[in-house]
Amino acid sequence: DVKVTQSSRYLVKRTGEKVFLECVQDMDHENMFWYRQDPGLGLRLIYFSYDVKMKEKGDIPEGYSVSREKKERFSLILESASTNQTSMYLCASSFLSPDRSGYTFGSGTRLTVV
Amino acid sequence: DAKTTQPTSMDCAEGRAANLPCNHSTISGNEYVYWYRQIHSQGPQYIIHGLKNNETNEMASLIITEDRKSSTLILPHATLRDTAVYYCIVRVLTGNQFYFGTGTSLTVIP
Repeated sequence: DVKVTQSSRYLVKRTGEKVFLECVQDMDHENMFWYRQDPGLGLRLIYFSYDVKMKEKGDIPEGYSVSREKKERFSLILESASTNQTSMYLCASSFLSPDRSGYTFGSGTRLTVV
Repeated sequence: DAKTTQPTSMDCAEGRAANLPCNHSTISGNEYVYWYRQIHSQGPQYIIHGLKNNETNEMASLIITEDRKSSTLILPHATLRDTAVYYCIVRVLTGNQFYFGTGTSLTVIP
């Protein structure tokens, strides 16, 4: 069964900590994405990548960075976690061509910054 | 970039067809319409997508108007497990991004 795996389901971090959220996909997808989801705001795109070592800013990149050293892995980094980064974080991947398939999402990481 | 507009919430009786509308009046000719749903505390799940023609799979049917400015997702026989938030999304080809709105919260009532 194909899947997108996020390393943690729940995470609690302290303000100011550096936080790494890991995402791995086994579908040979070119695209990978990081979203955050907050009540009433829907899903908002943070960063995405369409190739190894390539990255593009989404709608809300401030306070985040990403790393894609291998095709199957896309990491989201919170350089200095803040309480307003408490959220559900969703990783997704897809083929480059939109007619091949849609996104496949991971189960999400619920991050709490205290 | 084409964005979408959906009703905030809808109810549907169990066993009846659920028809979820979506407006995407600024869609470009080569952009696809996708539908996803998200059950509480899970990641969104792909349902169906289409370009111009109506599409059907084991989960749902997608009806796209001739001018492509709107579409309807049809769940033919809604069950309680179909209670979820449904997102209508237009695929932006440049940048390969999906823009998710706040979706439609569908409640299937026994």
